[in-house]
Amino acid sequence: ETGVTQTPRHLVMGMTNKKSLKCEQHLGHNAMYWYKQSAKKPLELMFVYNFKEQTENNSVPSRFSPECPNSSHLFLHLHTLQPEDSALYLCASSQEEQGRYNEQFFGPGTRLTVL
Amino acid sequence: AQSVAQPEDQVNVAEGNPLTVKCTYSVSGNPYLFWYVQYPNRGLQFLLKYITGDNLVKGSYGFEAEFNKSQTSFHLKKPSALVSDSALYFCAVRDIGNAGNMLTFGGGTRLMVKP
Repeated sequence: ETGVTQTPRHLVMGMTNKKSLKCEQHLGHNAMYWYKQSAKKPLELMFVYNFKEQTENNSVPSRFSPECPNSSHLFLHLHTLQPEDSALYLCASSQEEQGRYNEQFFGPGTRLTVL
Repeated sequence: AQSVAQPEDQVNVAEGNPLTVKCTYSVSGNPYLFWYVQYPNRGLQFLLKYITGDNLVKGSYGFEAEFNKSQTSFHLKKPSALVSDSALYFCAVRDIGNAGNMLTFGGGTRLMVKP
């Protein structure tokens, strides 16, 4: 495995529910990411955290709320989602260093279904 | 702005034959280029990357890719395909001049290797 774990692996929720996705990286990296992968669409970057600070928010609706309490953990809080939010949500991490651009390591993803 | 194009949704190859998965990119500066593979119900796995140096990059599982600056391409190749290579392949680019962490992914190419 890649050293990035995600829980739960599958989640079914109603539009009025509140749930959270969890990601943990065991690689000592200093940057973490949330991506959305829908059928027939490219991977969409949602959020980027560098050293626990959010540095990118790709126009994501406010019903998605990220949280990064430390450099190893990343959460995605979900509330009042829509059926079109059903997708595979992928977490990734990387080591960001001045002048070096390293690859991102991905978790297995959470398959989310919104009813 | 940076972008990646994978012109083929699917590539079909017979086992033992060479394979090529195409990727072209567009960046304002110099590119960092990556290939990832995704097996069913899994996250993305890093295969190889081009940063600088030799235009032919060798990666995991016998894959290699050739950076061609004049054609702005970074095609993925393997001399002899295996059935187990069947998966979804993503090309990604990062602009060296981009101060952020953003990787831009192509739409993906499904590789089918038939016995």
